[in-house]
This record gives sequence, structure tokens and C-alpha cells, in this order.
Amino acid sequence: QQQVKQSPQSLIVQKGGISIINCAYENTAFDYFPWYQQFPGKGPALLIAIRPDVSEKKEGRFTISFNKSAKQFSLHIMDSQPGDSATYFCAVAGGTSYGKLTFGQGTILTVHP
Amino acid sequence: DAGVTQSPTHLIKTRGQQVTLRCSPKSGHDTVSWYQQALGQGPQFIFQYYEEEERQRGNFPDRFSGHQFPNYSSELNVNALLLGDSALYLCASSFSRGPGYTFGSGTRLTVV
Repeated sequence: QQQVKQSPQSLIVQKGGISIINCAYENTAFDYFPWYQQFPGKGPALLIAIRPDVSEKKEGRFTISFNKSAKQFSLHIMDSQPGDSATYFCAVAGGTSYGKLTFGQGTILTVHP
Repeated sequence: DAGVTQSPTHLIKTRGQQVTLRCSPKSGHDTVSWYQQALGQGPQFIFQYYEEEERQRGNFPDRFSGHQFPNYSSELNVNALLLGDSALYLCASSFSRGPGYTFGSGTRLTVV
């Protein structure tokens, strides 16, 4: 049972462009939706997270858009930079799985200079 | 302020052996969770420890066990290692079982 579906698997963007990664979930009990960034040889690092009481959250160049009715959320990276090249994971938590993160499959982002 | 510390960073074991991985949580955190990340995949939840007890468990066999000590540090034990256990093992800590985790850099386990 795949509770979180992430797309695309890989993404190539030019420097200065917008990167968009999408996630869809199934369980309406989830109430915590984070995005993690992972560089090779490192653990995931929390980028930004949202709760379902808001539809959008922005932190610097990173924005989460949340659509509760569609059970989807997305990460937008504005003015993408080569240093943003990494693997990005969406995750969900909440309900009876409070404290347990269920991750998407990951998106490999490459930003060309 | 130290983050999550894991040891060792790399480990090579033979099939059938047993392994113990260690984790020190971020200062102020009392909950430790362990994740397994296969190459090219997202992390998979193994279990969570809070107040020295296993509070949640993912879909992993009993060969995977753990422990949390009074200082909140934790160990992950894997018995009867299989080739398929080769992965990056991540420790994540948080406060009071919340999902706002801080991850360590992981232990890369290779089973040969």
C-alpha cells in the first residue's frame, strides 16, 4: 500500500528557473506535511512543513502549496540554484501514525548553471 | 549545539552476523526513531522509542530490535543479517514523539 506518491522521479531545471515537485496522499487523517532535502552521504534535512489549516506556506525561495480536497501538496523552488541539486522527499504524518513519517519515493533535482 | 550523532558511519558485515548501530539524539530531544533507506528509495520507518519503550513499529521483522537508554540515546540491533539489509540506517530525534524530526547522517551497512 503506497500511501504517498511523489512525482516526477527526476527533474532538470536551468539556473533561475522554478522547480515544482508534487505529492499525493491517501489518508485524510494525516496532518503534517514536510519536505526534506537530502544530499549524497547525508541524512534528510527538513526544508519546510505545512499543516492542513493553511493552503500555502513560504520560507525564502521555498513554498508549499496544499490542496486538502485533492489530497495533494507540492514544493515550489523559486530562482533555482545549482546548490539546490539534491534529492527531495515529501512525507506525511499524523492520525494513528503520529510521529511516524511516511516518505515519498524521492525526486532527483538537477539545476544546470 | 550538536545534532543527531550516529556511529559507526560505515560498516561491512557478513550474512548471518549481528550488528548494533548507535544514535545520540539532538540536545533537548527525547524521542528516537530509526529508518532504513535503500539505495534510490525514500526512508522506511522501522520503529520509534520514547521513554525507553518501543511506541510504534513499521513493517520490519523481529530481527530488528532496539533499545533506548535513560539519556535518550538509542541502539538498533539487527540479527541474522541478510543481503537485503544493506542500506543506509538513519536515526532521527524529536521532542515528545512529534514528527518534527532531525536526522543524523546515517550508518551505511553493507552485508556481504
